[in-house]
Amino acid sequence: AQSVAQPEDQVNVAEGNPLTVKCTYSVSGNPYLFWYVQYPNRGLQFLLKYITGDNLVKGSYGFEAEFNKSQTSFHLKKPSALVSDSALYFCAVRDKGTGRRALTFGSGTRLQVQP
Amino acid sequence: DAGVTQSPTHLIKTRGQQVTLRCSPKSGHDTVSWYQQALGQGPQFIFQYYEEEERQRGNFPDRFSGHQFPNYSSELNVNALLLGDSALYLCASSLWTGKIMNTEAFFGQGTRLTVV
Repeated sequence: AQSVAQPEDQVNVAEGNPLTVKCTYSVSGNPYLFWYVQYPNRGLQFLLKYITGDNLVKGSYGFEAEFNKSQTSFHLKKPSALVSDSALYFCAVRDKGTGRRALTFGSGTRLQVQP
Repeated sequence: DAGVTQSPTHLIKTRGQQVTLRCSPKSGHDTVSWYQQALGQGPQFIFQYYEEEERQRGNFPDRFSGHQFPNYSSELNVNALLLGDSALYLCASSLWTGKIMNTEAFFGQGTRLTVV
């Protein structure tokens, strides 16, 4: 069965500093990996995805993520955090090998960017 | 492009009642999935519809059922509501591209269901 772990419930960072939100996954085959962001009382907004190829994926709003197959990780990063980046971030995986299309989400990490 | 739209945005129901939630997918999308997001948790997959058929189902009881219409819109029905069904229900639309599963899903703003 596929699973996602987001080990940090909350990440605090000062505005202008780099940020990292961690994600590790478990699948039986090769993964498709996604990051979504959720603002209060809103649905999920797609940020970026890893399908194949380059391990560094660039997405919306200056976010990027690094796929590491040996560590089964897909950490979300941004070089310089903004207060407006404060939100709930979800990592999700889809197992290419199973043909199962459902996304499996982690429990989420709340990012708090202080001015 | 209106994106994924869900209705209603909020709903309060009593235990034992039945509820219907609605979703219109993003223009050009043909696949609708439903997720339940309990407070403080990540979304959990309920089921997915394509070509008006349920294609995949998560670990949810038969009280949860759905439908997809020819215009690709979808409904989620929950019977015999329990207090534990209180959650944000998210609809996601995507493209069914055969064996290719790499398309991202686009989510609506959700329906907040409260069961009292």
